[in-house]
Amino acid sequence: QKEVEQDPGPLSVPEGAIVSLNCTYSNSAFQYFMWYRQYSRKGPELLMYTYSSGNKEDGRFTAQVDKSSKYISLFIRDSQPSDSATYLCAMNLRAVRGNTPLVFGKGTRLSVIA
Amino acid sequence: NAGVTQTPKFQVLKTGQSMTLQCAQDMNHNSMYWYRQDPGMGLRLIYYSASEGTTDKGEVPNGYNVSRLNKREFSLRLESAAPSQTSVYFCATGREQPQHFGDGTRLSIL
Repeated sequence: QKEVEQDPGPLSVPEGAIVSLNCTYSNSAFQYFMWYRQYSRKGPELLMYTYSSGNKEDGRFTAQVDKSSKYISLFIRDSQPSDSATYLCAMNLRAVRGNTPLVFGKGTRLSVIA
Repeated sequence: NAGVTQTPKFQVLKTGQSMTLQCAQDMNHNSMYWYRQDPGMGLRLIYYSASEGTTDKGEVPNGYNVSRLNKREFSLRLESAAPSQTSVYFCATGREQPQHFGDGTRLSIL
């Protein structure tokens, strides 16, 4: 089993829809959870950063972490064509000498159709 | 991405050739990272540097070397390029996590 699993999609939704993107993981020690957005032929950009369980909201984006189920989600409300990109989840744990390197999911490709 | 600059943007090499990928940041971050991204494999960490003067291996370090020249610059060297190293290479910086990525170097090895 891979440490982090993410459905590659592609996921196609109409403009204005609520989008749900998900990752599951196997290492219960993971504590930091991130979502990155990557446009075509660009580097990833950090979108959301959460610690442990719970929800975090930033504008149209909500990140949710359920540690008991080892499941994280990113919700996008009122989706726009400009949200069309690949979304990568990533996670790691805190070690004595700084954080351990991130483990990334393979990314979900999202298309929002006008 | 003005904060992290990677050069070159594209490169084609022959098997056995060497080259150095350059990365410079103006974010004043301690941590810098080198990743490769391949279809179906996602982002994989090659090497990282938690601070000036230190480097550590990531998930896929074989065939690569790195130099943290100063706080701003972190270079990745391929000593003898192999076709398996054809990939898109990303440099990143951050305080505790990689936050800012460059736009990548697309490297093809024939």
